[in-house]
Amino acid sequence: EVQLVESGGGLVQPGGSLRLSCAASGFTFSRYWMSWVRQAPGKGLEWVANIKQDGSEKYYVDSVKGRFTISRDNAKNSLYLQMNSLRAEDTAVYYCARRASMTTWGYYYYYMDVWGKGTTVTVSS
Amino acid sequence: DIQMTQSPSSLSASVGDRVTVTCRASQSISSYLNWYQQKPGKAPKLLIYGASSLQSGVPARFSGSGSGTDFTLTISSLQPEDFATYYCQQSYSTSVTFGQGTKVEIK
Repeated sequence: EVQLVESGGGLVQPGGSLRLSCAASGFTFSRYWMSWVRQAPGKGLEWVANIKQDGSEKYYVDSVKGRFTISRDNAKNSLYLQMNSLRAEDTAVYYCARRASMTTWGYYYYYMDVWGKGTTVTVSS
Repeated sequence: DIQMTQSPSSLSASVGDRVTVTCRASQSISSYLNWYQQKPGKAPKLLIYGASSLQSGVPARFSGSGSGTDFTLTISSLQPEDFATYYCQQSYSTSVTFGQGTKVEIK
């Protein structure tokens, strides 16, 4: 069964750090781009970061640049999100997701087809 | 960043109704548009990718259309399990963005 399982969430004070993990199983992890997406309480979805298969390319939403770092360990089938200088507005459920692609007429269409159940991060004093 | 605007923000409908949700991009995104369904307390689920391709396992009552800046998600006959929030998402840019969501409620 294709599965993603997040862990590492919790309560942290403003300015603190947290490291999220995402364990992948049931598919060849090293063949896929991976993403983190978050959802603040009662709000919509917000993409956070993407990482290429070999970790050579990484992209972030502006609000986390310089504070969050996405990484992966293909030998361990794991994705990570190191979160530093946390703010109250980072409070959210954090999902990891697999980014798949489909080619049609030479165009690559990307979409997030497998999602974990999420881990909750609460930033509060 | 590319802004995605969905309308309406919420709607009430009955089982069996035809439901349409609209998504508009702030610039042309060709067909790089995906739709997701999310139920309370659950992770999002991919419904449609590439504007109109149905994800494997998704019922055929769901369909997507559009290109450029204007897109539509249609549920041909609303079922009890379809009451949820629906999000569009553009994958044209490396900075992915989602619409604000459309909540489909029971009338």
